[in-house]
Amino acid sequence: EVQLVESGGGLVQPGGSLRLSCAASGFTFSNYWMHWVRQVPGKGLVWVSRINNDGSSIIYADSVRGRFTISRDNAKNTLYLQMNSLRVDDTGVYYCASHPYFDFWGQGTLVTVSS
Amino acid sequence: EIVLTQSPGTLSLSPGERATLSCRASQTVSNNYLTWYQQKPGQAPRLLIYGASSRATGIPDRFSGSGSGTDFTLTISRLEPEDFAVYYCLQHGSSPRTFGQGTKVEIK
Repeated sequence: EVQLVESGGGLVQPGGSLRLSCAASGFTFSNYWMHWVRQVPGKGLVWVSRINNDGSSIIYADSVRGRFTISRDNAKNTLYLQMNSLRVDDTGVYYCASHPYFDFWGQGTLVTVSS
Repeated sequence: EIVLTQSPGTLSLSPGERATLSCRASQTVSNNYLTWYQQKPGQAPRLLIYGASSRATGIPDRFSGSGSGTDFTLTISRLEPEDFAVYYCLQHGSSPRTFGQGTKVEIK
């Protein structure tokens, strides 16, 4: 059974940092490109970033470029999102999801940026 | 970036009725790379349709997708109680990927 389990969310002050993790199991993680998607509670979905299977190709949404870094460790079957210089509008539930169709999603981890 | 506009915002229907949801793109969606998702409260989205019209694994055949270019439709032929949820479209033909704002299908 495919499983994606996010962790690392929490409450952080504006300007702070967090590192999210997404642990994958039930499929060959190293073969899959992966994405992060954000959802403000009660609101819609926003794509954040994508990484290819070996980490050599990465893209970001304009709103996070230069502040967020996506990475992966295929030996640990884990996807990461390093979030720096956090802003109030980064608040939301962060999901990892598989490429290309977002076939599989984790349960999400809540990031709250507030003073 | 491509803006996706979903309509209506809310659809009030009864079980057994037909639901027709629209997703309109501000530019042509390349290769009809348009997907549909269902989301229930407290859950992650679930893939329903990819490539505008192909059902994902395990999705009942009462769900169907159609359209091309800039106009796409998700149809639920006969609503079951478990179908009342929010539905999102996504385009992944151009970067950045963009979502529609969602259509809520609620019980009338």
